[in-house]
Amino acid sequence: EADIYQTPRYLVIGTGKKITLECSQTMGHDKMYWYQQDPGMELHLIHYSYGVNSTEKGDLSSESTVSRIRTEHFPLTLESARPSHTSQYLCASSDHQGIYEQYFGPGTRLTVT
Amino acid sequence: EDQVTQSPEALRLQEGESSSLNCSYTVSGLRGLFWYRQDPGKGPEFLFTLYSAGEEKEKERLKATLTKKESFLHITAPKPEDSATYLCAVQERNRDDKIIFGKGTRLHILP
Repeated sequence: EADIYQTPRYLVIGTGKKITLECSQTMGHDKMYWYQQDPGMELHLIHYSYGVNSTEKGDLSSESTVSRIRTEHFPLTLESARPSHTSQYLCASSDHQGIYEQYFGPGTRLTVT
Repeated sequence: EDQVTQSPEALRLQEGESSSLNCSYTVSGLRGLFWYRQDPGKGPEFLFTLYSAGEEKEKERLKATLTKKESFLHITAPKPEDSATYLCAVQERNRDDKIIFGKGTRLHILP
């Protein structure tokens, strides 16, 4: 079983609030990712990182930001939550060796009211 | 446009009834194709990586195969605990940052 953790698992928050979704992995993986997934839909990449101090935007336009100060930690922040941010957020990591088999966390289900 | 298409969207089988799930892909060059299992409310769980046409991999009742245009996930004599959504993803050659996921096939095995 992959050692990648996300907190909180569920979050209900009001519009305009600032939130940070936490993701940590203990596998020493260089590459980490954030995906957004709506029910019955494919995963959409919103951010990724090749390693410490590296952050990149994914294919899906997002109003969130990420940071990578430590290898094991890759938090995602929404400065001002909106109802359109309601979704499942999945964090993943992989070894940076060419073939990116990804190991996913359990996800954070976010509801913005 | 690079695409990953999975079919069927949903599949209901009786316990013991074998079947196959399909993943067809269109990319300029394949680096790797991945299969994942996702249970409701959880993150995807990695199953297999396939690298080249003709390759096969097995795990318990699951066998994944790969051709130049598609991959199949064969499920032999499934059990109710095999019920889940199965996701296919493709990593494109020379685009290490681009992994494309399909929408998945929801599999339900009836006891």
